[in-house]
Amino acid sequence: DQQVKQNSPSLSVQEGRISILNCDYTNSMFDYFLWYKKYPAEGPTFLISISSIKDKNEDGRFTVFLNKSAKHLSLHIVPSQPGDSAVYFCAASWPFGKVVFGQGTRLTINP
Amino acid sequence: NAGVMQNPRHLVRRRGQEARLRCSPMKGHSHVYWYRQLPEEGLKFMVYLQKENIIDESGMPKERFSAEFPKEGPSILRIQQVVRGDSAAYFCASSPGAGGDYEQFFGPGTRLTVL
Repeated sequence: DQQVKQNSPSLSVQEGRISILNCDYTNSMFDYFLWYKKYPAEGPTFLISISSIKDKNEDGRFTVFLNKSAKHLSLHIVPSQPGDSAVYFCAASWPFGKVVFGQGTRLTINP
Repeated sequence: NAGVMQNPRHLVRRRGQEARLRCSPMKGHSHVYWYRQLPEEGLKFMVYLQKENIIDESGMPKERFSAEFPKEGPSILRIQQVVRGDSAAYFCASSPGAGGDYEQFFGPGTRLTVL
């Protein structure tokens, strides 16, 4: 039972443009949603998070949007840079408990 | 403050052997999580531990797998009688508290290869 889904395994974006990564979830009990970034042969690193009581959180070039009615969140990166090329994992957490990850989306930024 | 340490980084075992993966959380972190990443797949939650306690092991296979986080020393993920399907990257993460409002810091992972 995949509770967090990233339906696009890969995404290719031109440098300078906006990258939009999408994520859907099934359980309305999740209280936080997070995005992690992963380079090959490294562990994931935290990027940005959003509480379920908010609908937007912004940190520099990164913005996460949450649509609770649609059980959907998205990560916007603008402008996209070559160093953003990585695998991005969407994740959702239970209150005071475990975190569930999506399958990941491989983002490639083309010069 | 050193990050999350995992060792070994690479581990090769033959079928039927035991694999022991170690994780030292960041200083001050008492919450440890283990995840498994199979080739071409996402991170799968395995187990969540606090010092000397298993909080949630719902993602751990019922047989051959065990985890501990003793009062002193690293957290250990132990896989007995390994099979080829256990080949994967195993990541450990730590946090100072539980839940999504606490960022999880990940280690570099241990890549287990079962021959």
